[in-house]
Amino acid sequence: DAKTTQPPSMDCAEGRAANLPCNHSTISGNEYVYWYRQIHSQGPQYIIHGLKNNETNEMASLIITEDRKSSTLILPHATLRDTAVYYCIVRLGGGNQGGKLIFGQGTELSVKP
Amino acid sequence: GAVVSQHPSRVICKSGTSVKIECRSLDFQATTMFWYRQFPKQSLMLMATSNEGSKATYEQGVEKDKFLINHASLTLSTLTVTSAHPEDSSFYICSASSATGELFFGEGSRLTVL
Repeated sequence: DAKTTQPPSMDCAEGRAANLPCNHSTISGNEYVYWYRQIHSQGPQYIIHGLKNNETNEMASLIITEDRKSSTLILPHATLRDTAVYYCIVRLGGGNQGGKLIFGQGTELSVKP
Repeated sequence: GAVVSQHPSRVICKSGTSVKIECRSLDFQATTMFWYRQFPKQSLMLMATSNEGSKATYEQGVEKDKFLINHASLTLSTLTVTSAHPEDSSFYICSASSATGELFFGEGSRLTVL
């Protein structure tokens, strides 16, 4: 079973920041939080991952709470092309190598003009 | 560009036939590959973990004789759906793990069984 819970859907206005929450209250100390997104009929696309510290890359920022029980993915300036299903995943197997990804239901983000 | 390639992207077959789907890591060696299945409007469901040179590990409820997985090299894993039936129609997706732990997904293969 997936170890994360996400809202099933969210709307965001184009150009605004999209903040996608994720709860992972049973996360273990050596498990990472990964975010992927899937545009219809395509394979999932990696966005970002983190362990404890906040992370930022060219696509998004990941904010992880101090107790690591929840996180938020931030798309700073959402565009229509960001419309997709976003998956928050706790990576099993420990560490950053080799663990399988168990997908939950994800959040369907709709970016509107 | 894509770092994990799947082939074919779409396949239609008759009921009772077998279908092979290939998953290749294009510019890295993948000791571990994963196979997922996705039905319409549902999330990805992990089917099995494929390790190079050893037998695949199947998730509970996935028939190993139905879904044959071979991982003969560090860049290629194959999934064969044997004696396919209409209920096997689905979107099959593979992912490959690099040495640094990054997981890359293929574009997916849509199987339609008539």
